[in-house]
Amino acid sequence: AQSVTQLGSHVSVSEGALVLLRCNYSSSVPPYLFWYVQYPNQGLQLLLKYTSAATLVKGINGFEAEFKKSETSFHLTKPSAHMSDAAEYFCAVKGRGGGGNKLTFGTGTQLKVEL
Amino acid sequence: DTAVSQTPKYLVTQMGNDKSIKCEQNLGHDTMYWYKQDSKKFLKIMFSYNNKELIINETVPNRFSPKSPDKAHLNLHINSLELGDSAVYFCASSQGGPSGQGPWGHFEAFFGQGTRLTVV
Repeated sequence: AQSVTQLGSHVSVSEGALVLLRCNYSSSVPPYLFWYVQYPNQGLQLLLKYTSAATLVKGINGFEAEFKKSETSFHLTKPSAHMSDAAEYFCAVKGRGGGGNKLTFGTGTQLKVEL
Repeated sequence: DTAVSQTPKYLVTQMGNDKSIKCEQNLGHDTMYWYKQDSKKFLKIMFSYNNKELIINETVPNRFSPKSPDKAHLNLHINSLELGDSAVYFCASSQGGPSGQGPWGHFEAFFGQGTRLTVV
């Protein structure tokens, strides 16, 4: 079964600093990978997704992620944090080998942005 | 236009009651889901329907019964509510078939705003 692990349940950065949120996947074949963001009292919004077209994926709000098969990673980055980036971020996986058309989520990383 | 809409947004009820949450999507998707988010923000799939057919049932108690009258609607009925049922329930939808294979696997899920259920 596919799974993802998010390292660090809480990440704090200064405004203008680099954001790095970590996600490692476990899958026997390269999976489909997603990053979602959840603002307080809101639903989940897709930031970006990896579908094997390109290893470096650009998403909304200046975020990007790089798929690294050798490291089984799909870390999310943003060069310069903004106060509005404070939210909960979820990495998710969907397998190519069946298992149902479902997303399996990581445990989430809360991003705090300080002045 | 809200793509995936859930009602109600908040639901406070007493233990032992029966309640329903409704979900509708206007995206033309074939697959709909219910996810549960607990107090630690952990998201876990409960059910998945494809074209009104139950595809995934992730060992959810029998007190939870999903119903899909058509592919644009997926409702969740909960009987005999317990304190532990308190959570945020998210409805979602995506394109694609039941297995996730073929050309559909890369399609993301679109989520509703959630229903915060509090059982007292």
